[in-house]
Amino acid sequence: DAGVTQSPTHLIKTRGQQVTLRCSPKSGHDTVSWYQQALGQGPQFIFQYYEEEERQRGNFPDRFSGHQFPNYSSELNVNALLLGDSALYLCASSRGTGGRPSSYNEQFFGPGTRLTVL
Amino acid sequence: KNEVEQSPQNLTAQEGEFITINCSYSVGISALHWLQQHPGGGIVSLFMLSSGKKKHGRLIATINIQEKHSSLHITASHPRDSAVYICAVSGWSNFGNEKLTFGTGTRLTIIP
Repeated sequence: DAGVTQSPTHLIKTRGQQVTLRCSPKSGHDTVSWYQQALGQGPQFIFQYYEEEERQRGNFPDRFSGHQFPNYSSELNVNALLLGDSALYLCASSRGTGGRPSSYNEQFFGPGTRLTVL
Repeated sequence: KNEVEQSPQNLTAQEGEFITINCSYSVGISALHWLQQHPGGGIVSLFMLSSGKKKHGRLIATINIQEKHSSLHITASHPRDSAVYICAVSGWSNFGNEKLTFGTGTRLTIIP
C-alpha cells in the first residue's frame, strides 16, 4: 500500500502565476481533503472532495479550486498566486460514508507539497 | 481567539523526562486528535479520542469533555520523540468525514 502520495514535492512560482498540485489517496479511500500549512502554523482546511464534488470548504478565496477524478485522485489549483500562498499543502484521504452521518473516519496525510511564491 | 489552543509552543527537555502538552478547545467536537509532524512535513495520527484516556506505548492521551481540555503525555522521553505535536478537533457533520481544525502545534526537542 503506497499510502497517500503528492506531487510535486517542491515548487517555486512567481506572483500572478497559477499552480496545480496533485494527490493520490490511500488505496480504498474515496474522500480527499486539502490543507494549507503556513510556516510555524497548524494546517488550515481548504476543502474536501467526495464523489467528484466539493463537499465542504474552509475560508479560502475562489482562487483556490479543486477537482476529484473518477479514480478518487484530486488536484488543487491556485490562480493569481500571492506571496502569502507560500506554504506546505497537505492532502489527506479517508473512507467516505456515502453521505450518511457517521463516526469520524481517520484521515491519512500525504508528505505535502512545499510551494514557494517569489 | 483560535478555536484550538496549545501550550507550550516550544518545549525542550532532557532524555528520560516526563512530557506534557496541553490542548484547549472552544467548540463542540465529535473527537479530538493528536498528531505528530516530523521535519519535512509528514503528519501521522497518534490518537483519536472522544472521552477518557488512551495509551499507546510511551504515549498517553487524556480528554476532559466538560472542561474542553486534553493532554498528551510522553513517558521516558527519547530524542526520537523530537517533533511537532499538533492537537486537532473534528466537529459534527452530516457526512462523517468532518474537517479537522488544528492548533498551532508544540515543537518538542529532547536532548540526549
